Amino acid sequence: GQNIDQPTEMTATEGAIVQINCTYQTSGFNGLFWYQQHAGEAPTFLSYNVLDGLEEKGRFSSFLSRSKGYSYLLLKELQMKDSASYLCAVMDSNYQLIWGAGTKLIIKP
Amino acid sequence: GAVVSQHPSRVICKSGTSVKIECRSLDFQATTMFWYRQFPKQSLMLMATSNEGSKATYEQGVEKDKFLINHASLTLSTLTVTSAHPEDSSFYICSASGGRDTEAFFGQGTRLTVV
Repeated sequence: GQNIDQPTEMTATEGAIVQINCTYQTSGFNGLFWYQQHAGEAPTFLSYNVLDGLEEKGRFSSFLSRSKGYSYLLLKELQMKDSASYLCAVMDSNYQLIWGAGTKLIIKP
Repeated sequence: GAVVSQHPSRVICKSGTSVKIECRSLDFQATTMFWYRQFPKQSLMLMATSNEGSKATYEQGVEKDKFLINHASLTLSTLTVTSAHPEDSSFYICSASGGRDTEAFFGQGTRLTVV
């Protein structure tokens, strides 16, 4: 079966760095997405990785290792507004998005 | 980034009535649109995938006759919840993609409450 695993919840301090991991087992691979979702709102696109390596976008970076079925989202200089759920999703061989359950990130002052 | 507009953002309807939710891609042609629903504290659940001009492909367990999807143009897809019941109350989200190798952009979501 297809499976996306990510931690349920993480806590970090304002100004610090946090890494949210995602491991996946899917039928085929056509890219991995990270989305941010604030409560009651639709997800917002953060990053897309299809090749191995690190993609940096400002305070957010995303890493992919296809051989390990592994990705992480790195958030630097955390701000209170970063408190949200972070969703990992993989596009499989049928170009369907397989979603993880999301990681709730709590930022403390 | 590309803009996907979903309307309405919130709707309350009586049990037994139908509700239509629109999803529009404002600045690109959406060859594929996805419809999701999300229950509180749960992940997004894909309901169906629709390609412009063809019938939607529904996920297992999703009733085709209850959740009618129309993707008549490259910029508009609609989801109609027919004969709504309280258990249909949920957050419905659409996303649109311009093609297989492009990212999907999400609409704002629609909070449906059936009373």
